[in-house]
Amino acid sequence: LAKTTQPISMDSYEGQEVNITCSHNNIATNDYITWYQQFPSQGPRFIIQGYKTKVTNEVASLFIPADRKSSTLSLPRVSLSDTAVYYCLVGEVSWGKLQFGAGTQVVVTP
Amino acid sequence: NAGVTQTPKFQVLKTGQSMTLQCAQDMNHNSMYWYRQDPGMGLRLIYYSASEGTTDKGEVPNGYNVSRLNKREFSLRLESAAPSQTSVYFCASSLTGREAFFGQGTRLTVV
Repeated sequence: LAKTTQPISMDSYEGQEVNITCSHNNIATNDYITWYQQFPSQGPRFIIQGYKTKVTNEVASLFIPADRKSSTLSLPRVSLSDTAVYYCLVGEVSWGKLQFGAGTQVVVTP
Repeated sequence: NAGVTQTPKFQVLKTGQSMTLQCAQDMNHNSMYWYRQDPGMGLRLIYYSASEGTTDKGEVPNGYNVSRLNKREFSLRLESAAPSQTSVYFCASSLTGREAFFGQGTRLTVV
């Protein structure tokens, strides 16, 4: 599984856009990039998954450059309820393992 | 739709006691996982099962055993609990390794 590196923490104000970049230099051809969100005392929740270019859903956007060695999760117009830990995972879709790194603690303040 | 159900939600054990954490999913998923999360840390994979009848070790399997009883159920057993196993345990399931669904967790304290 490719190793991932994310910032430990990020602070933002309500209404701003938050961009979290994940580095995965050793990403393999068959690997997908997946992001999860975790609130205190809860299990992680799937946010978005992509292979290349850009993926957007109702919650976030995922930007993946052509070399796929990094990816950026974009959270538009964050609110206080977006305060959580965000995890970047890289691996094959058909993989057995889901391995989480340390994640990025995002704190949104008024 | 229940999703992933873990029992119990809370448990206190004495050192050396044994217990089994239960996990069941009703989404017909092939893969199931057990993680532990220590305070302020990320999730660490204990064991996973890619399909019924198969299990494999994750990052921190020592001190644990698992059973994939059928497609729905995946249990985690602590044979002789130690204080180092005090943690929050999460079970998860996924169809192919794409979107995984997590249970609410079991908070285990070993004294």
